[in-house]
Amino acid sequence: AQSVTQLGSHVSVSEGALVLLRCNYSSSVPPYLFWYVQYPNQGLQLLLKYTSAATLVKGINGFEAEFKKSETSFHLTKPSAHMSDAAEYFCAVSDQGGKLIFGQGTELSVKP
Amino acid sequence: KAGVTQTPRYLIKTRGQQVTLSCSPISGHRSVSWYQQTPGQGLQFLFEYFSETQRNKGNFPGRFSGRQFSNSRSEMNVSTLELGDSALYLCASSLAWGTQETQYFGPGTRLLVL
Repeated sequence: AQSVTQLGSHVSVSEGALVLLRCNYSSSVPPYLFWYVQYPNQGLQLLLKYTSAATLVKGINGFEAEFKKSETSFHLTKPSAHMSDAAEYFCAVSDQGGKLIFGQGTELSVKP
Repeated sequence: KAGVTQTPRYLIKTRGQQVTLSCSPISGHRSVSWYQQTPGQGLQFLFEYFSETQRNKGNFPGRFSGRQFSNSRSEMNVSTLELGDSALYLCASSLAWGTQETQYFGPGTRLLVL
């Protein structure tokens, strides 16, 4: 069965610093992987999606993620954090039929 | 193009009542999925509909049900509400049904059961 583990339920960075949110997956087949962001009192917004076309995936708002099969990882990064990046981030893997299996989420705080 | 819309946005019910939530997918999208989000359990898959047929179902009791109409709009119903049903219910739509499809989420319906 597919599963996702996000390391660190809370990450705090200073404005301008590197953002690194960790995600490891378990999948018996080549996975479709996603990162979503959730701002307070809102739904989930798609940041990026891995589809095997390229291991480095660029998303919106300056985020990108690198797929590493040998490490079963799909970590999310952004070179320079902005105050507006403060939100909760979810990594997900698509299971059979398109059911999304989510990690527990990582809350990102950005300090001025 | 308008996004996924969900109504109502907020709802307060009492134990034992039933509730119906509505979801309108992005125009042209034919698949609708429902998820429950709680602080303790996180995001959990409820069910998915495509072409008015339930294609996939999560591990929720039979009190949770749904349906999809010919215009792809979907409703989910929870009967005999329990306190633990308090959650944010998210609807997502995608063009078709399948592992490769991207799901786009609505703003959610926040349900409080008293």
